[in-house]
Amino acid sequence: KAGVTQTPRYLIKTRGQQVTLSCSPISGHRSVSWYQQTPGQGLQFLFEYFSETQRNKGNFPGRFSGRQFSNSRSEMNVSTLELGDSALYLCASSLVAGGGYNEQFFGPGTRLTVL
Amino acid sequence: KNQVEQSPQSLIILEGKNCTLQCNYTVSPFSNLRWYKQDTGRGPVSLTIMTFSENTKSNGRYTATLDADTKQSSLHITASQLSDSASYICVVTSRNDYKLSFGAGTTVTVRA
Repeated sequence: KAGVTQTPRYLIKTRGQQVTLSCSPISGHRSVSWYQQTPGQGLQFLFEYFSETQRNKGNFPGRFSGRQFSNSRSEMNVSTLELGDSALYLCASSLVAGGGYNEQFFGPGTRLTVL
Repeated sequence: KNQVEQSPQSLIILEGKNCTLQCNYTVSPFSNLRWYKQDTGRGPVSLTIMTFSENTKSNGRYTATLDADTKQSSLHITASQLSDSASYICVVTSRNDYKLSFGAGTTVTVRA
């Protein structure tokens, strides 16, 4: 069974631009969560999607948005990029929504660098 | 605010030796606690997951313990190998809203 895939793996953008990251969950998984990871802050929860609906949201500004398609694939968009947005963006999939006891499987991440 | 504190921030051990990582949390009420291993440049991989009723869980050379009364967990690595060099992250799930709280991680370096 293929794991979680994220594209692109690496991205370099300049301040003010926008970026779209993509995540394909494990086949059969309907929940996709997004996280930002930086050396100083560790892993921080962005949002979770289940059946094309946002189920949970972290404390990030409105510049960060996402969506999920009917095939469970998800995209994350960051508009008006700032230097502080440079981070590893991780996507995780699970069978159903909610942290609960459902194991999350992480993708390899997209390394975003904002210059 | 729910918090998860991990210690030490980093440690270096010799191959073959044991080590223990600590995780203290304030998340309440608590649903479950997970330990993840994250290799450099890769996504985290789950090692163990425990509910409040479990106090120990093993996965090969990794053994996690949980004391729900004192809100403490530890991850013990036995007979460390070079491949154990990674960041280990403690994650606690709230029973109220199932939100995840992440620790900052402990970076383990195993040297030959």
